[in-house]
Amino acid sequence: GNSVTQMEGPVTLSEEAFLTINCTYTATGYPSLFWYVQYPGEGLQLLLKATKADDKGSNKGFEATYRKETTSFHLEKGSVQVSDSAVYFCALSMYNQGGKLIFGQGTELSVKP
Amino acid sequence: NAGVTQTPKFRILKIGQSMTLQCAQDMNHNYMYWYRQDPGMGLKLIYYSVGAGITDKGEVPNGYNVSRSTTEDFPLRLELAAPSQTSVYFCASSYEGSGANVLTFGAGSRLTVL
Repeated sequence: GNSVTQMEGPVTLSEEAFLTINCTYTATGYPSLFWYVQYPGEGLQLLLKATKADDKGSNKGFEATYRKETTSFHLEKGSVQVSDSAVYFCALSMYNQGGKLIFGQGTELSVKP
Repeated sequence: NAGVTQTPKFRILKIGQSMTLQCAQDMNHNYMYWYRQDPGMGLKLIYYSVGAGITDKGEVPNGYNVSRSTTEDFPLRLELAAPSQTSVYFCASSYEGSGANVLTFGAGSRLTVL
């Protein structure tokens, strides 16, 4: 079946460090890929998405590129801030499947001043 | 514009009790979803609905029931609560169900079964 695998957390970084959170997927077909973020005590919200191979999603300094050849959608940010501390979820959705999202297990990021 | 509203935010249940988690959206979204979030496990889909009167099972439906009598509301019912249902529950909605649609999530309902 379709699935998403993320690197395990927690990830602890100092402010202004470079961030990479790895995400790989398994899917029969061509999914859309998403990164959602969950700040403490809140629900999930969309961070960025890409709907086809080689697309790059970007938002708030975060980027991720849809790589079909490596079935990956790694999240990157050049310089993290304390306010980026959150749990990050990679997810996929298949066309004509009712919009259901399949999530990875989430990666907790903690940024220290 | 409230978005997706979930109630209650917190609840403690005894084993065998029943309760309903409420979810309402005011965005005229057709699609609605219930997920549960367990530590280190990501989110798992319990039930979803593609419109009023239509519901379908997700990955982990056992022990739960849903109904969708209106576009706005999508309550989740727990019958005979068990400790395995201790979790954080999220309701979400989207306007359409293509692969590229974005879900709007509620703030969550934390349920503990003792």
